[in-house]
Amino acid sequence: QVQLVESGGGVVQPGRSLRLSCAASGFNFSSYGIHWVRQAPGKGLEWVAFIAYDGSKKSYADSVKGRFTISRDNSKNTLSLQMNSLRVEDTAVYYCARRLTTLLDHWGQGTLVTVSS
Amino acid sequence: YVLTQSPSVSVAPGQTAIITCGGDDIESYGVHWYQQKPGQAPMVVVYDDSDRPSGIPERFSGSNSGNTATLTITGVEAGDEADYYCQVWHTSSDHWIFGGGTKLTVL
Repeated sequence: QVQLVESGGGVVQPGRSLRLSCAASGFNFSSYGIHWVRQAPGKGLEWVAFIAYDGSKKSYADSVKGRFTISRDNSKNTLSLQMNSLRVEDTAVYYCARRLTTLLDHWGQGTLVTVSS
Repeated sequence: YVLTQSPSVSVAPGQTAIITCGGDDIESYGVHWYQQKPGQAPMVVVYDDSDRPSGIPERFSGSNSGNTATLTITGVEAGDEADYYCQVWHTSSDHWIFGGGTKLTVL
């Protein structure tokens, strides 16, 4: 079955960096685009970034553009999110989710990032 | 592009819950609906306006017309209590947009 497992979350100070990973299994990873979506504590879902199946196309929310970088390694079935210049408002659970046409059809369980001094 | 949802909806068991998602000319987009229970990841309950993934009860249905998309849950059960989010892919900005979410409370 499709599985997406996020890791790399933790507590980090404002201005520092953190790298999240998403390990995929149960499907042909190299055939699917993947998203990062976040959810601040007690808040709604916010789309963060997307990468095409082959890495040729990337898009970002305005709130993270220039600070976050999405990448993937299809040989290892992994997705990454490099987060630089972190802000308190980046505190959230970060989910990776598989793209199916315009839908996010499978989601991981998320990893919590806390930005605090 | 902004999707607007009412923050909360409350219904008694067995009644019908109607959750709306407003957006400019939203009927031009395929709308997807996600259910999220506390401590869990979101899951799809309706996609492409009105289709249901396998395993989702027929009680869940969707429609999309004009500036409003609607998720309807008939015969609401206690287990339907959750947050519901609408989502579209906004083609011109190439951004995936979520509504602010609606908390469904079963009285």
